[in-house]
Amino acid sequence: AQSVTQPDIHITVSEGASLELRCNYSYGATPYLFWYVQSPGQGLQLLLKYFSGDTLVQGIKGFEAEFKRSQSSFNLRKPSVHWSDAAEYFCAVAPISGGSYIPTFGRGTSLIVHP
Amino acid sequence: GAVVSQHPSRVICKSGTSVKIECRSLDFQATTMFWYRQFPKKSLMLMATSNEGSKATYEQGVEKDKFLINHASLTLSTLTVTSAHPEDSSFYICSASPLIATEAFFGQGTRLTVV
Repeated sequence: AQSVTQPDIHITVSEGASLELRCNYSYGATPYLFWYVQSPGQGLQLLLKYFSGDTLVQGIKGFEAEFKRSQSSFNLRKPSVHWSDAAEYFCAVAPISGGSYIPTFGRGTSLIVHP
Repeated sequence: GAVVSQHPSRVICKSGTSVKIECRSLDFQATTMFWYRQFPKKSLMLMATSNEGSKATYEQGVEKDKFLINHASLTLSTLTVTSAHPEDSSFYICSASPLIATEAFFGQGTRLTVV
């Protein structure tokens, strides 16, 4: 069965500092990989996704993520964090197959941004 | 991207009553929709897969008689929490994908509080 591990429950950074959120997955093959962001009381917004090709993926809001097959990781990065980035971040995997996408989510990492 | 709308965004109900939550795909048809439950500071847990014109498929441990799902049309799925109890208080999120999609689209979520 597939699983996603986000080892950090909370991450605190200062505004303007760089950010890296960790994500490791367990799956029989390379799955589709996603990062979602959730603001308080809101649904999920897709930041970026990886299917194949270039292992460095650019997303919205200045985020990027790098897929490392050897480490089964898909870490999310941002060079300079803004106060508005404070939110819950979820890494997710979905099998590469036809039909509907049913992602499996990590437990989430809460990002706290200090002024 | 595709839009999934969920209503209501917040609802408070008395213990013992039933609450209906709607999930609509606004600009695409969805033969399959998904219902998630999210506990505070926790990840999303898939509750059930809603199939248009047929019975929903429930995940292990989810009471199908408590969480009634109806997918009456290609753009609407409803989740009814029957005989609600305080422990049913949670954040419920639906998602759907167009037929040829590379990601899941999420509704805004519904905060249910049972008093």
